[in-house]
Amino acid sequence: QQQVKQSPQSLIVQKGGIPIINCAYENTAFDYFPWYQQFPGKGPALLIAIRPDVSEKKEGRFTISFNKSAKQFSLHIMDSQPGDSATYFCAASTSGNTPLVFGKGTRLSVIA
Amino acid sequence: NAGVMQNPRHLVRRRGQEARLRCSPMKGHSHVYWYRQLPEEGLKFMVYLQKENIIDESGMPKERFSAEFPKEGPSILRIQQVVRGDSAAYFCASSPYQRNSPLHFGNGTRLTVT
Repeated sequence: QQQVKQSPQSLIVQKGGIPIINCAYENTAFDYFPWYQQFPGKGPALLIAIRPDVSEKKEGRFTISFNKSAKQFSLHIMDSQPGDSATYFCAASTSGNTPLVFGKGTRLSVIA
Repeated sequence: NAGVMQNPRHLVRRRGQEARLRCSPMKGHSHVYWYRQLPEEGLKFMVYLQKENIIDESGMPKERFSAEFPKEGPSILRIQQVVRGDSAAYFCASSPYQRNSPLHFGNGTRLTVT
């Protein structure tokens, strides 16, 4: 049973576009929602994270939107660049109690 | 300030051999996590360790897999009698304090079983 469902599996956008990646979860005990970025041959790197007491968090061109009632959260990348081409993973956990569980990833390609 | 170091980067083993994967956490980090990644799949949690203790091994297969994080030296993930299905990328992550404080990942070990 997949605890975090991520979509789409892949995404192609033009440079300057705003790709949106969505994740949904079932476990209402989850209270920590990070996003990781992974380039080929590298390990995942933490991009941005949110806790359910806020509905939105921005860091640079990256924004997380969080909808607690719908149990969904999404990543928006503003003014996307070819250098943003990577695989993005959402994840969730309960602070201090459970392992971080990951979605299956979204392969993003930003074309010039 | 070195990040999480994993070695080897690539490991090829024949069926039935043993694989040993090593992970040195970031300086000052005492929490280590191992994850496995299959193609087109997310990362699957395997085990969480602190120095000399296994805290959570709920994601570890019951047989052939073991992990340790000794007082001195790197954390080791050991796979005995490897099978083709063990072929995957294995990632180690570390964190400085409480569980699931931001995880810092290494670049992984890609295990190929022939």
